[in-house]
Amino acid sequence: QKEVEQDPGPLSVPEGAIVSLNCTYSNSAFQYFMWYRQYSRKGPELLMYTYSSGNKEDGRFTAQVDKSSKYISLFIRDSQPSDSATYLCAMSALTDSGGSNYKLTFGKGTLLTVNP
Amino acid sequence: DSGVTQTPKHLITATGQRVTLRCSPRSGDLSVYWYQQSLDQGLQFLIQYYNGEERAKGNILERFSAQQFPDLHSELNLSSLELGDSALYFCASSVGQLGFYGYTFGSGTRLTVV
Repeated sequence: QKEVEQDPGPLSVPEGAIVSLNCTYSNSAFQYFMWYRQYSRKGPELLMYTYSSGNKEDGRFTAQVDKSSKYISLFIRDSQPSDSATYLCAMSALTDSGGSNYKLTFGKGTLLTVNP
Repeated sequence: DSGVTQTPKHLITATGQRVTLRCSPRSGDLSVYWYQQSLDQGLQFLIQYYNGEERAKGNILERFSAQQFPDLHSELNLSSLELGDSALYFCASSVGQLGFYGYTFGSGTRLTVV
């Protein structure tokens, strides 16, 4: 079983729709949860960052973490064509018992297209 | 512009050859991470350096090596290249060595092995 599972899509929605993107994970050591957006031929850029279970909102984006279910979500409200990109979830855990280093593990990404 | 600079942007080379990818981290960042991205495997962590020292290793092949120099730029060396090494190679950097706030990625080097 992969540490992080993400449905690759593709997902196609009309402009203005609410988009829901999800990841599940198996490693209970993951402590920090992130969503990255990657446009074609570009590097991933950090969208949202959360630590605890619950919701975090930033404009049209809401990140949700449920550690008990090992499930994270990203919601995009009023989706725009400019939101068309690949969305990657990422999670970090300590790489050593000394507590001095973390490593990010990424999902494979979900390709989202928002149609005008 | 993310502040992380990767060169070259594109590289086409033949099987068996050796290439060097270069990364300059964002100003003030001491950690550099290398990732490989392919369609079937997604983003795979290769290796991390912090202030010149190797801090963590991921799925890096023995044919690959990296180093971080005193000026904090990093190089990823890929040798005895195979067709399967064709991928996007990303460098990322972070403040400190913890990186739990996430990384800042460069635009990547697209490597094509023919």
